[in-house]
Amino acid sequence: GAVVSQHPSWVICKSGTSVKIECRSLDFQATTMFWYRQFPKQSLMLMATSNEGSKATYEQGVEKDKFLINHASLTLSTLTVTSAHPEDSSFYICSAREGGPSYEQYFGPGTRLTVT
Amino acid sequence: QKEVEQNSGPLSVPEGAIASLNCTYSDRGSQSFFWYRQYSGKSPELIMSIYSNGDKEDGRFTAQLNKASQYVSLLIRDSQPSDSATYLCAVNAFAGNKLTFGGGTRVLVKP
Repeated sequence: GAVVSQHPSWVICKSGTSVKIECRSLDFQATTMFWYRQFPKQSLMLMATSNEGSKATYEQGVEKDKFLINHASLTLSTLTVTSAHPEDSSFYICSAREGGPSYEQYFGPGTRLTVT
Repeated sequence: QKEVEQNSGPLSVPEGAIASLNCTYSDRGSQSFFWYRQYSGKSPELIMSIYSNGDKEDGRFTAQLNKASQYVSLLIRDSQPSDSATYLCAVNAFAGNKLTFGGGTRVLVKP
């Protein structure tokens, strides 16, 4: 299957600071990328969908000014958590898809964020 | 009513047996169906995709789709302890651009 990478794999930051997470599709061009969040023992929660060169579409209840998403190229999307607080501590996972809805969606390894 | 439903389990299966997982979905217009495996603390890994009615086999995995009954299933043959994980069913609706996930079924394969 296709490979999606994420960086960093884990990060610890202080409350009030911002953290940027990168998601890259390594062997295909991702027309669409997705960002999810997962709390322990809970289901995946979709945060936003982004298409290359377009503004991200955020799910209801996700603050777009707090979670900034940039999909600048067909292989790179970034998620910036601004002014992070302890309640933002979670497992953030990106996924990428080469084409339309019928295409398979591949997940990155995830980034574990801890805000102290 | 949830859009994609799975039994949360745990489904306990002896090593070497067949694990049978079921998933039902509510959107009759759904077009694409996927099974992901997620180990504890890891991200989901795609194991099967299926788009048309019938069976699709890949190694020890078989996905079955019945659009008339709105269910999709996954069979794991010759289950191994390494198959112990949570299995997520995901569905792409006809008019949607995103996957809708079920809550996952936890599978425990006992040696």
